[in-house]
Amino acid sequence: QVHLQESGPGLAEPSETLSLTCTVSGASVSSDRYYWAWIRQAPGKGLEWIGSVHSRGGPKYNPSLKSRVIMSQRASSNQFSLKLTSVTAADTAVYYCARAGLTAVGGLPPHYYYAVDVWGQGTTVTVSS
Amino acid sequence: QSGLTQPPSVSGAPGQRVTISCTGSSSNLGPNFRVHWYQQFPGSAPRLLIYDSDSRPSGVPDRFSASKSGTSASLAITGLQAEDEASYYCQSYDSSLGFSMVFGGGTRLTVL
Repeated sequence: QVHLQESGPGLAEPSETLSLTCTVSGASVSSDRYYWAWIRQAPGKGLEWIGSVHSRGGPKYNPSLKSRVIMSQRASSNQFSLKLTSVTAADTAVYYCARAGLTAVGGLPPHYYYAVDVWGQGTTVTVSS
Repeated sequence: QSGLTQPPSVSGAPGQRVTISCTGSSSNLGPNFRVHWYQQFPGSAPRLLIYDSDSRPSGVPDRFSASKSGTSASLAITGLQAEDEASYYCQSYDSSLGFSMVFGGGTRLTVL
């Protein structure tokens, strides 16, 4: 059974850098079968993709956040992480780490074939002074 | 702004059939794109309900079905139950945004 767990501070001050880590069990972040994503949800709002990482190729970021996002993965600890710089109150949200790893297409299709099949429980981040 | 449009809310009585639409464009729901659907209860993470436009992961009741035609998709729930009251999101990828993952705005289902 695959399990994802977010960790990081629940409070960030405006203009600071938010750092979150996702620890994965039951699957390897090094597998070329999966993409690992961060998705957030502001209070009362819908889901917003932040970015994804993969064992091969560079990270992919939401164009609207790209200038402020850095994602990486650490095979040795089976984790992947998110850094979001210059945060504002608009970044207050529940942050989910997730795996995009399900498709009916065989082989290793492009990332845009994959559904998000495993979600972490989410961690609430509030940006406030 | 999401490239996938869903109605903000739908409702139905127990036992009825409801559908939730998801409208996009050629850059996200065109022929080469799959649509996925998620169910989310308040305070919980989303759960994958449908993948590849019409496939159900194991454990999802067959009361849930979905289809895709042209640049639109729909989720259908038959035999509506009180426990189906939740928010539902469609998701795809958008080639005009560098194949970014995109979600619909979500639809709140109320069981009357």
